[in-house]
Amino acid sequence: SAVISQKPSRDICQRGTSLTIQCQVDSQVTMMFWYRQQPGQSLTLIATANQGSEATYESGFVIDKFPISRPNLTFSTLTVSNMSPEDSSIYLCSVGNRNQPQHFGDGTRLSIL
Amino acid sequence: AQSVAQPEDQVNVAEGNPLTVKCTYSVSGNPYLFWYVQYPNRGLQFLLKYITGDNLVKGSYGFEAEFNKSQTSFHLKKPSALVSDSALYFCAVRDGAGKSTFGDGTTLTVKP
Repeated sequence: SAVISQKPSRDICQRGTSLTIQCQVDSQVTMMFWYRQQPGQSLTLIATANQGSEATYESGFVIDKFPISRPNLTFSTLTVSNMSPEDSSIYLCSVGNRNQPQHFGDGTRLSIL
Repeated sequence: AQSVAQPEDQVNVAEGNPLTVKCTYSVSGNPYLFWYVQYPNRGLQFLLKYITGDNLVKGSYGFEAEFNKSQTSFHLKKPSALVSDSALYFCAVRDGAGKSTFGDGTTLTVKP
């Protein structure tokens, strides 16, 4: 199973600033996902980031707010731009090809002041 | 559109007793079903999956799940609960494009 390293594990940011979250996988994977989760609640998919193509964003999420890079099969970044308190959440990186289990990073706990 | 329902926000059991965490799903076509567990300050960890084959699926840490097509259910079970099983459990269905839909989660508390 894939091992995912996600950085930073947590951060406290000022409103109006941007933060880039990194996701490093120990093996090559095609499908990578970025989720948002409020503590104790379900996961909301932000976007799917497949290498070699533009990220596909879910309804309610836009590229200007959450730009994603996927330069290769083992790495991706998610940037949370122009942050507001409503962006305070846990952001999770996940990988897993079709019909296979997904593997998750431990998340980035983001607080906006 | 696919969906997953976990009807119980919380399940409380005594250590040593059997546990069940319920999940029902709605999907067009063949379902690809998964159970994940989340411990505090951690990401989700895979427990077990149903793709095809036997309706009773065995997974990690002694957990198993029963796939019931007629009832569109995929309940998670364990014969004897441990205090260390206390965590947040998610049922998920994955579509042919690889996108997962997660249930709202069930908090399992196992008391000594």
